[in-house]
Amino acid sequence: EVQLVQSGTEVKKSGESLKLSCKGSGYSFSHYWIGWVRQMPGEGLEWMGIIYPDDSDTRYSPSFRGHVTISVDNSTSTAYLQWSSLEASDTAIYYCARRPGAAGGLDYWGQGTLGCVSS
Amino acid sequence: DIQMTQSPSTLSASVGDRVTITCRASQTVSRWLAWYQQKPGKAPKLLIYETSTLETGVPSRFSGSGSGTEFILTINSLQPDDFATYYCQQYSTYSSVTFGRGTKVEIK
Repeated sequence: EVQLVQSGTEVKKSGESLKLSCKGSGYSFSHYWIGWVRQMPGEGLEWMGIIYPDDSDTRYSPSFRGHVTISVDNSTSTAYLQWSSLEASDTAIYYCARRPGAAGGLDYWGQGTLGCVSS
Repeated sequence: DIQMTQSPSTLSASVGDRVTITCRASQTVSRWLAWYQQKPGKAPKLLIYETSTLETGVPSRFSGSGSGTEFILTINSLQPDDFATYYCQQYSTYSSVTFGRGTKVEIK
């Protein structure tokens, strides 16, 4: 069974760093793109970026480039989303999701991680 | 960035109704358009990809159509489980991906 399991709720302060994780299982992790999606409280879905674990090819949405870093550890089948300096506006639920290929949408999603940042 | 304009933002309907949601792209995305359903407190669920291909396990009352810049999600005979928020997503390249702002389908 394909699963993406994300790390738990985080409560941080502005200026602090944060690293969220997304562990894949039940499939060949390194051969499927993993994307990250933000959902601010009461708002819609926003695309952040995507990584191909096999070669770490990473593409960022212009809105998030330079503010977050997406990485992967193939030895543990885990993708990461990290910030070096959080802002209060980073408070949101963050989802990871698998993309099976160029033609497909995001077919499996993690359960989401709530990140709360206080100013 | 390609912008996706989704309408309506809210839709009131009854069980058994036929519902349509429209998504317009600011430039052509060919057939690289997906639809998702999201319920409160849950992750989104893929319904349709490549404009009209139904994801495995999705009921056949859901269908998608369109190409280029205009796309439609149709739900035939709305069921109680279908009251949710729906999002379109273009994925014309790995670098260019955007979601619509969502359509909330409410009970009339």
